[in-house]
Amino acid sequence: EVQLVESGGGLVQPGGSLRLSCAASEFTFSDHYMDWVRQAPGKGLEWVGRSTNKLNSYTTYYAASVKGRFTISRDDSKNSMYLHMNSLQTDDTAVYYCVRDFGAGWGQGTLVIVSS
Amino acid sequence: QSVLTQPPSVSAAPGQKVTISCSGSSSNIGNNHVSWYQQLPGTAPKSLIYDSNKRTSGIPDRFSASKAGTSATLGISGLQTGDEADYYCGAWDTSLSGEVFGGGTKLTVL
Repeated sequence: EVQLVESGGGLVQPGGSLRLSCAASEFTFSDHYMDWVRQAPGKGLEWVGRSTNKLNSYTTYYAASVKGRFTISRDDSKNSMYLHMNSLQTDDTAVYYCVRDFGAGWGQGTLVIVSS
Repeated sequence: QSVLTQPPSVSAAPGQKVTISCSGSSSNIGNNHVSWYQQLPGTAPKSLIYDSNKRTSGIPDRFSASKAGTSATLGISGLQTGDEADYYCGAWDTSLSGEVFGGGTKLTVL
């Protein structure tokens, strides 16, 4: 069974940085597109960004709200994807989900709280 | 506000059928596939439909979906209390070069 496990969330001050990790298992990680999607407390889903697969050169795309502050990277040797978040703002507070292949599989999420 | 438009809530009695609409534009639904997700209270979203009308493995055929022009519809028949959840549509937006979601629809099974 496909598994996606996020980690790295926590409390961070405004202006701070955090790195989220997504550990994948039971599929060939390099073959698949991967997204980050977030959900603020009590709100709907918001797409954060995407990494295409190896065949498509791991091209990345970002939502306008995070472009220039967030970066997606992958380490296929560790079957892992990362979300590097800088200049965090209070409205970045959300549960962050790791998502495979256009929503086919979701992790359980990791909570990021940006607060002083 | 969301790029894709969904009704905030729908409701129906057990055993009945309900539909949830998702309205977009030519840059998203009009020219790209639509996905539908179910989010039960306190859990992560789960894929129901991909490629506009294909059920994800393990999803019962009570769930169906269609797309016409710049709108999509999710149908749920034989409603059960366990179907009470938030439902989201999503699609790639070519103009934004990003995935967009609807604001979500809360289904209540009366």
